[in-house]
Formats: sequence, structure tokens, C-alpha cells
Amino acid sequence: SYVLTQPPSVSVAPGKTARITCGGNNIGSKSVHWYQQKPGQAPVLVVYDDSDRPSGIPERFSGSNSGNTATLTISRVEAGDEADYYCQVWDSSSDHWVFGGGTKLTVL
Amino acid sequence: EVQLVESGGGLVKPGGSLRLSCAASGFTFSSYSMNWVRQAPGKGLEWVSSISSSSSYIYYADSVKGRFTISRDNAKNSLYLQMNSLRAEDTAVYYCARDVTGELPELFDYWGQGTLVTVSS
Repeated sequence: SYVLTQPPSVSVAPGKTARITCGGNNIGSKSVHWYQQKPGQAPVLVVYDDSDRPSGIPERFSGSNSGNTATLTISRVEAGDEADYYCQVWDSSSDHWVFGGGTKLTVL
Repeated sequence: EVQLVESGGGLVKPGGSLRLSCAASGFTFSSYSMNWVRQAPGKGLEWVSSISSSSSYIYYADSVKGRFTISRDNAKNSLYLQMNSLRAEDTAVYYCARDVTGELPELFDYWGQGTLVTVSS
């Protein structure tokens, strides 16, 4: 089965740039989606199809995907960005949705 | 406004059954695929099952295949998850989520607030 690997945690100072990676075999050939989840809340889509943003999501959130790694980049990080972030792909070989293990973003 | 409201969670003994519901409003339910995703306490997201708009396509995670059944009633704008032979490891908050399309899987654009299922003796 397809596996997505994320770092358990990333820390960043306010105003700096946070990068959260999502590793998978030839993930560059798949569409990657990213969700933000704050404590006690449902996930919220922040980036879809590798690099597109839903309406209402700040331009500070961006994404890229190439080779074996997809990356969610959050520029000018704010305290309100502190949350868990999950990557997701559809694995057509197994007809399964796959989530990464999640990354806890801490704003120092 | 799109709303997804889950219900039916609760405490159940191992081996027992439970039926979750997700009431949808604010959009044409019959045009969208729907999904169930769960999250064990303190853990990450785990996809459970998906169903296309007309129920033509149904998918299950390996961990629930043969025990859980997803279904929908487009006339009632409702999504269901019948859970049988429940195990302690099924304990989680169960979310329903809408796909952006009605047939092939694309991505989840709206999520409900979840309902807690606890499997314990």
C-alpha cells in the first residue's frame, strides 16, 4: 500500500517560513492535498492539487510537488497557524485515499 | 452554506454494532461523492470509506472492509456508515467529508464536526 511520510513536528518563529514535507514514492505524479487541523476542530483544506488555494486561504500558504516529496510552505508564520497539517493523495493502484501521519506545527 | 452534521456515535461493547449518520444541507447532495474519515484519540487522520454520488463506486480501507458498510439516501440528503464487529481500535471521532466531484475521487472540501465512537467493555 502507498505510504506518505511526514515529520512529526516542525517549529518556526513568528514571521519566518515553515516548510512541511510529505514523502511518497513518485509522489510528483499524484495530486497532493493539504489539510490544517486545529485542536478540537475538523480539518480544513488549505492547499489542493499540489499548489492551489481554496478561496479564503491566505496567500501565505503555498505548495509544491516533485519527485518523491511534496511540500507545504507557510510564509510569514503567525501564531494562528499553529496546528496539525496532513497531506493526502488518492492511490489509484489500490483505490484508497491515503493520509500522511501529520505534522504538528509549533510557532515559537 | 454547506453543512454536514454527524450523529449516532456513542459507547458500544466489542463485537457490537453502530450506525452513523451524516445529514447534509446547503448543497445538492445527490451530485457529490461522500466520505468517512476517522481519528483515534491523539492520532492522525485515517480514511475509512467513500461512496460516489449514485453509489456506483464504493471503496473501503483494508482495516474496515467486511465489517463496515457505507451507504447513502439521496432523497434524505443523508450518508450512513453501518459498523459491525466493532473493535477497540475502531474507537475514534468519525468525520463525514464531501468530495468536490460526484464520481472519481478528487479531494475533500467540506467536513463535519465529527461524532465520537468508543468501543469498550
